[in-house]
Amino acid sequence: AQKITQTQPGMFVQEKEAVTLDCTYDTSDQSYGLFWYKQPSSGEMIFLIYQGSYDEQNATEGRYSLNFQKARKSANLVISASQLGDSAMYFCAMREAGFQKLVFGTGTRLLVSP
Amino acid sequence: DSGVTQTPKHLITATGQRVTLRCSPRSGDLSVYWYQQSLDQGLQFLIQYYNGEERAKGNILERFSAQQFPDLHSELNLSSLELGDSALYFCASSVPASSGANVLTFGAGSRLTVL
Repeated sequence: AQKITQTQPGMFVQEKEAVTLDCTYDTSDQSYGLFWYKQPSSGEMIFLIYQGSYDEQNATEGRYSLNFQKARKSANLVISASQLGDSAMYFCAMREAGFQKLVFGTGTRLLVSP
Repeated sequence: DSGVTQTPKHLITATGQRVTLRCSPRSGDLSVYWYQQSLDQGLQFLIQYYNGEERAKGNILERFSAQQFPDLHSELNLSSLELGDSALYFCASSVPASSGANVLTFGAGSRLTVL
């Protein structure tokens, strides 16, 4: 069964607007971690933000915030004030307790237009 | 620069050949992970090493093997290459397991093209 689901293959947003990238996950563990990575066209994977399952507050890192809804098993990435440089693939990933590896979703391609 | 170094950046080879991809983790990171990113399979976990020992295995083919050396660098060996092995191969490293978030830091990747 797919553990990380990203249902939006592509998203468009205008510069300076906010955008939400969806991510739902499936786990029976109580302890797990959720991650978002950005992959620009150059190919590298850039870590953006982390949310632990026991964290009571939503994680924020600059213009990135994670809308964590535990009961719904969703961990959506919110990018505020989009910039042209935000155009990239965005991957949601999960690490379950006892495992070190990350399991990735299929990604969402974000295009920011002027 | 993420601190994770992968070589070569690009590699073109023929079917049936063997290649070795090399990875140097960030200073202080004991874990090394290998991932394969292809258009049809997405990002797939291959294998993890921790301080020289294999820790977890994912969807790694028998034609592929890896190891982590005493200086903590790692090599991924791909043999009897097929067209479908063409992909971007990532190495990632992380701080020791006792760390909270255990964020994986990725290298720039090695793009393998099999002709």
